[in-house]
Amino acid sequence: DAGVTQSPTHLIKTRGQHVTLRCSPISGHKSVSWYQQVLGQGPQFIFQYYEKEERGRGNFPDRFSARQFPNYSSELNVNALLLGDSALYLCASSLAGDSGANVLTFGAGSRLTVL
Amino acid sequence: AQSVTQLGSHVSVSEGALVLLRCNYSSSVPPYLFWYVQYPNQGLQLLLKYTSAATLVKGINGFEAEFKKSETSFHLTKPSAHMSDAAEYFCAVSVKRADYKLSFGAGTTVTVRA
Repeated sequence: DAGVTQSPTHLIKTRGQHVTLRCSPISGHKSVSWYQQVLGQGPQFIFQYYEKEERGRGNFPDRFSARQFPNYSSELNVNALLLGDSALYLCASSLAGDSGANVLTFGAGSRLTVL
Repeated sequence: AQSVTQLGSHVSVSEGALVLLRCNYSSSVPPYLFWYVQYPNQGLQLLLKYTSAATLVKGINGFEAEFKKSETSFHLTKPSAHMSDAAEYFCAVSVKRADYKLSFGAGTTVTVRA
């Protein structure tokens, strides 16, 4: 069974550009969460989506947005890229609902470099 | 708001020696606590979780952690290190059942010496 898949795995952008990152959850998982992991730090929560609705948002500027599609896949969009947006962006899926234990399954991430 | 602090950004152990990674949490309500491992160029893999059941939690790959409310700690241990344990380890906390917003520590990198 496929795990959480993310694309692209690596990308390079310049300041001011826009980027779209994609995530496909594990089959049967209805919730997708996005995390940003800056080099040398732990992951930081950006968004959680469940059934196409935003269920949580972290402390990130409005340049960051996301959406979830009917097939439960998700996109993370970042506008007006800054050097500080360079990071590993992790997608995680979960069964969601009150299934308990809040267990997330993470993908391998998309590594974004902003020049 | 909840948070975790991992003590020691780097730990070096000899193969076969005890691995001890320290995590202290801060939460105003009973927490859910997790340990994740990240190998180079990979995502995070769940090692174990505490969800208010048994205070001693056993995970994968021989790891276990003990929840100590009096010390607000959730330290991770493995009796005998293996070369394959070299990775980065993250402690994380959430405060609501079915809440997928985890707060992670800064991580501890484990090096295993032959």
